[in-house]
Amino acid sequence: GQNIDQPTEMTATEGAIVQINCTYQTSGFNGLFWYQQHAGEAPTFLSYNVLDGLEEKGRFSSFLSRSKGYSYLLLKELQMKDSASYLCAVRDQDDKIIFGKGTRLHILP
Amino acid sequence: DSGVTQTPKHLITATGQRVTLRCSPRSGDLSVYWYQQSLDQGLQFLIHYYNGEERAKGNILERFSAQQFPDLHSELNLSSLELGDSALYFCASSPGDELTEAFFGQGTRLTVV
Repeated sequence: GQNIDQPTEMTATEGAIVQINCTYQTSGFNGLFWYQQHAGEAPTFLSYNVLDGLEEKGRFSSFLSRSKGYSYLLLKELQMKDSASYLCAVRDQDDKIIFGKGTRLHILP
Repeated sequence: DSGVTQTPKHLITATGQRVTLRCSPRSGDLSVYWYQQSLDQGLQFLIHYYNGEERAKGNILERFSAQQFPDLHSELNLSSLELGDSALYFCASSPGDELTEAFFGQGTRLTVV
């Protein structure tokens, strides 16, 4: 079956670095996405990986290893506003987009 | 503001009823995606339309249907509503037929009582 796993919750300190992991088992692979979602709000796009390697975008970076079915989202210089849920999603061979249940990130001052 | 408009923002209806949720994509975007988000299930992909044609279907119930009109707005129809259909329904749009960067609307919160 299709499965995307990510930790349910994580806690980190303001100014620190945190890595949110995502592993997936899907029918084929056509790209992996990370979204940020604040409580009660719409998800906002963070990154898209289709090839192996690291994509950097400001304080956020996303890494993909297709052979391992693994991705991570790296957040640097954490700010209080980064407290949110982070959703990993994979587009499979039939163009279906499967989301993980999200990782709730708590930032402590 | 993502530029994607969803109406209504909130909807309360009774079991067995039928409702229609509406989505207007960002100007120029040809793709519309529908998602359901409930507390215990996370974000579930329902269906994707590109330029009026269905492109991909997720775990969408037979009681649910959708369409994209020539002006590119989309409607999601939910019928024979059950308590378990209570959720946030999001619409997202993107320029092409690949979800490389999608913009989400603010969602419609459906409560079935």
